[in-house]
Amino acid sequence: AQSVTQPDIHITVSEGASLELRCNYSYGATPYLFWYVQSPGQGLQLLLKYFSGDTLVQGIKGFEAEFKRSQSSFNLRKPSVHWSDAAEYFCAVGVRSGGGADGLTFGKGTHLIIQP
Amino acid sequence: ETGVTQTPRHLVMGMTNKKSLKCEQHLGHNAMYWYKQSAKKPLELMFVYSLEERVENNSVPSRFSPECPNSSHLFLHLHTLQPEDSALYLCASSQVDRDTGELFFGEGSRLTVL
Repeated sequence: AQSVTQPDIHITVSEGASLELRCNYSYGATPYLFWYVQSPGQGLQLLLKYFSGDTLVQGIKGFEAEFKRSQSSFNLRKPSVHWSDAAEYFCAVGVRSGGGADGLTFGKGTHLIIQP
Repeated sequence: ETGVTQTPRHLVMGMTNKKSLKCEQHLGHNAMYWYKQSAKKPLELMFVYSLEERVENNSVPSRFSPECPNSSHLFLHLHTLQPEDSALYLCASSQVDRDTGELFFGEGSRLTVL
């Protein structure tokens, strides 16, 4: 079965500084990979996704992520964070099941704190 | 209405009550999901419905009972819950024949069991 590890439970970054959130996955083939963001009291919003092709994917709100097969990683980056980026970030992996409804497997999340 | 809508947003119930959570998706998708989000735990997939048929039940206690009357609506019936069932319950939908796995989430129903 697939699994996702987000090694950082909390990360604190100064406003305007760069950000990198780590994500490692375990799966026997090339998975679908996602980053979602959750603000307090809200559901999950998709930031970006990787299915195939270019390993550097661009998302909303200025985020990007890079798929590195050799490291089984899909780290999320942003060159300059804003106070509104403070939230919980979830990495998720999906399997290629030929159209089945398998849902996604999520990591435990990384809580991002922005310092003024 | 757009996206995935969940009601109620907040629910407080006693251990002997019976209540239901409702989810409605306006995206034309053909699969719907219930996830449980507890503090300090990963999101747990509870139930999956694809084309209105239940395809997965991840060993969820019988005090949780899902119902999917059509492709746009999903319910989670709750009875005789325990305090440890207090959590945020998230509904999601997807279009399975696109084979992309992307889920679209509602804002969740915050459940507190006293």
